[in-house]
Amino acid sequence: QQNVQQSPESLIVPEGARTSLNCTFSDSASQYFWWYRQHSGKAPKALMSIFSNGEKEEGRFTIHLNKASLHFSLHIRDSQPSDSALYLCAVSSYQGGRALIFGTGTTVSVSP
Amino acid sequence: NAGVIQTPRHKVTGKGQEATLWCEPISGHSAVFWYRQTIVQGLEFLTYFRNQAPIDDSGMPKERFSAQMPNQSHSTLKIQSTQPQDSAVYLCASSFSSTGDSYEQYFGPGTRLTVL
Repeated sequence: QQNVQQSPESLIVPEGARTSLNCTFSDSASQYFWWYRQHSGKAPKALMSIFSNGEKEEGRFTIHLNKASLHFSLHIRDSQPSDSALYLCAVSSYQGGRALIFGTGTTVSVSP
Repeated sequence: NAGVIQTPRHKVTGKGQEATLWCEPISGHSAVFWYRQTIVQGLEFLTYFRNQAPIDDSGMPKERFSAQMPNQSHSTLKIQSTQPQDSAVYLCASSFSSTGDSYEQYFGPGTRLTVL
């Protein structure tokens, strides 16, 4: 049974700063790794994904994956007030039919 | 593209009543997922259809929950004899589907179910 955990639970980040969010998973057969972002009262929306070990950068966001450590992370640079949201990591596998197993979430608040 | 459509947006039921939630996936998407979200449990997978066929219902409470996808344009989640612990936001998502890579799931706005 896949277990996905996130840390920290919440954080406050000054505008313009860099922040890092962490996600660990338990099933070594996991193949697809996602970060979703959910603004208050809105639907979750995919932010980034990674399917192989290493790093991927898109604008101010970078995702790192280390399958051997059962860990992936999201790094946000030059944080903006609009980045204030609930960040959800999610893991899926072909065997799991690609249903997403979500972490518990990290609430990020960017202070102007 | 209107995105994933869910109706109703809010539903209030009394304990023991039935609730039916509707989802219209994005046109062309062949995979439909149902999740529910609560403060305590977070976002939990319930069930998944691909090309209208049920693929995985491992997250569904077995006794009172059922889901169907009678055609490619809508899916329903039915909860019989609702209980207060069923109160949650029920989210529907759709995506492309293939035997290859995982595709982004697009979420609807959700149905907030409140059981009194």
